[in-house]
Amino acid sequence: RKEVEQDPGPFNVPEGATVAFNCTYSNSASQSFFWYRQDCRKEPKLLMSVYSSGNEDGRFTAQLNRASQYISLLIRDSKLSDSATYLCVVLNTGGFKTIFGAGTRLFVKA
Amino acid sequence: EAEVAQSPRYKITEKSQAVAFWCDPISGHATLYWYRQILGQGPELLVQFQDESVVDDSQLPKDRFSAERLKGVDSTLKIQPAELGDSAMYLCASSQYGNYNSPLHFGNGTRLTVT
Repeated sequence: RKEVEQDPGPFNVPEGATVAFNCTYSNSASQSFFWYRQDCRKEPKLLMSVYSSGNEDGRFTAQLNRASQYISLLIRDSKLSDSATYLCVVLNTGGFKTIFGAGTRLFVKA
Repeated sequence: EAEVAQSPRYKITEKSQAVAFWCDPISGHATLYWYRQILGQGPELLVQFQDESVVDDSQLPKDRFSAERLKGVDSTLKIQPAELGDSAMYLCASSQYGNYNSPLHFGNGTRLTVT
């Protein structure tokens, strides 16, 4: 089993739709969680950190469920520019090893 | 534009040749990472430095890959000899502290093609 698992998609949604991605992690001692966005053939860029109480940044909401060991990303009112791959990132204690999921591809259509 | 500098952007090399990549992290960032990303997959950590020390190289194929960060600033990743399966994007990233409050900042990457 991979340490960080994501649904690869692709998710094809129309503009204005709400879409949600989940990511599960296997190490219960994982300390920190992030969502990164990666455009085609570009480097990953930090989208948002994920806090225990959940957090929101504009149209993006991130949630953490430690009991079930998953994090989620919700995108409201999807824009064409949201089309990208969304990478779930988990930071483990003991060396602070940063582990990436394989990513979930999102296509937003007009 | 990314603040982590990497070069070259693209590299085509023949199987069994040597190849080297260079990375200059954001100024003041103590932690430097080299990742390899195969198309359709997430980045896989090859090596992590804290200043000039290696803190994790468990996934680095040490028979052919080497990495150094001699003065704790810029870093070089080398492959010798290159194999067809090494074709991938090689990403360098840095973080300020390498701990749970420090997200990673990536460079543009080096796209390696081995023929």
